[in-house]
Amino acid sequence: AIQLTQSPSSLAASVGDRVAITCRASQGITSALAWYQQKPGKPPKVLIYDASSLESGVPSRFSGSGSGTDFTLTISGLQPEDFATYYCQQFSNYPFTFGPGTKVDIK
Amino acid sequence: QVLLVESGGGVVQPGRSRRLSCSTSGFTFRTYGMHWVRQAPGKGLEWVAAIWFDGSNKYYADSVKGRFTISRDNDKNTLDLQMNSLRADDTAVYSCAAGYNWMEYWGQGTLVTVSS
Repeated sequence: AIQLTQSPSSLAASVGDRVAITCRASQGITSALAWYQQKPGKPPKVLIYDASSLESGVPSRFSGSGSGTDFTLTISGLQPEDFATYYCQQFSNYPFTFGPGTKVDIK
Repeated sequence: QVLLVESGGGVVQPGRSRRLSCSTSGFTFRTYGMHWVRQAPGKGLEWVAAIWFDGSNKYYADSVKGRFTISRDNDKNTLDLQMNSLRADDTAVYSCAAGYNWMEYWGQGTLVTVSS
């Protein structure tokens, strides 16, 4: 199975900051990657698919980049509602896998 | 309005079976791939199983292969997960999700606790 790692595992940031979260795959997955946001007690919400495509309705401050094994989710201008846990997920090969998550806290 | 509602969770003894169901509405169920994803208390997301739109292909995580079976009924817009030989480490909130590759729509989940 393809393993995904995320860094950092957690971070503290302030409103207005630019935040970058990375996801690395154990083997090349072309652009078969999605990013999700999850808030406590809620199901995940897809933000980005195909590594860089913004899901409809998601604010443009979220962006994704990368291909192959290295990917980045960037939040440009962190908002109060963005404090959450973020997961990457690969869909290149079954079994699909998620990264371990990155928790974004308020500084 | 898209709705996915899971049911069937509860407390089950180790080694026993449980069947989860997911009722859906608000989208064209028969054209979507479907997944089960679980989340152990305080832990991250774990993909469990997937089934193609027509039920022709099914895939499983290594941790559940041979014990869990995913199925769907396109006439009733429902998704099921039959879980056999349950273990303590299967304890989690189980959520159904719609989407072929990435998961566009999610249910709230149902908690399965495996404990004697």
